[in-house]
Amino acid sequence: EIVMTQSPATLSVSPGETATLSCRASQSVSSSLAWYQQKPGQAPRPLIYDASTRATDIPARFSGSGSGTEFTLTISGLLSEDFAVYYCQQYHTWPPTYTFGQGTKLEIK
Amino acid sequence: EVQLVESGGGLVQPGGSLRLSCAASEFTFNSYEMNWVRQAPGKGLEWVSYISSSGTNMYYADSVKGRFTISRENAKKSLYLQMNSLRADDTAVYYCARGKVGTYGYFDFWGQGALVTVSS
Repeated sequence: EIVMTQSPATLSVSPGETATLSCRASQSVSSSLAWYQQKPGQAPRPLIYDASTRATDIPARFSGSGSGTEFTLTISGLLSEDFAVYYCQQYHTWPPTYTFGQGTKLEIK
Repeated sequence: EVQLVESGGGLVQPGGSLRLSCAASEFTFNSYEMNWVRQAPGKGLEWVSYISSSGTNMYYADSVKGRFTISRENAKKSLYLQMNSLRADDTAVYYCARGKVGTYGYFDFWGQGALVTVSS
């Protein structure tokens, strides 16, 4: 099983600043990496797929990068609505054994 | 607008069974792979099961293999998860999630979730 490790567990950033979230895979997942945002009591919201492609209606302040085992989600000009938990997920394996990271909580500093 | 609506959650005793349903609308259901993903209270996301668009191929996480069965009825635009031999650690919100065509394994739409509580 590919283990996804996110860091840090909690990130405190002020509104208007830039947040950088990391995700590491235990083995290469090529570019088969997605990011999701989740707020309390809500379903995950897709943000990024194929490591760097924004999902429909996702603003440009969200950007993804990386390939292989190291990935980054960058959120520029943080708005109040961006404070949430973020998960990475790999979908490289077949048959599917998709795995998620444990999440990074982005909180207001 | 694409919609996925789960139902069938509830309280069940350990060892019991429950069947979740997911009703899809506003997209060509029979063209999409579908999945179940769960989230235990206060925990992260865990992929549970996958089914191909035709319903021919199914896969499961090791944690549920042999106990859960995924199925679909394309004519009814519905996805199901039959859960047997339930355990306390199956307690979670269960989401149905659509796999994006061409980027299999990326979940581009999610339902709102159904809570399953396994407790005596």
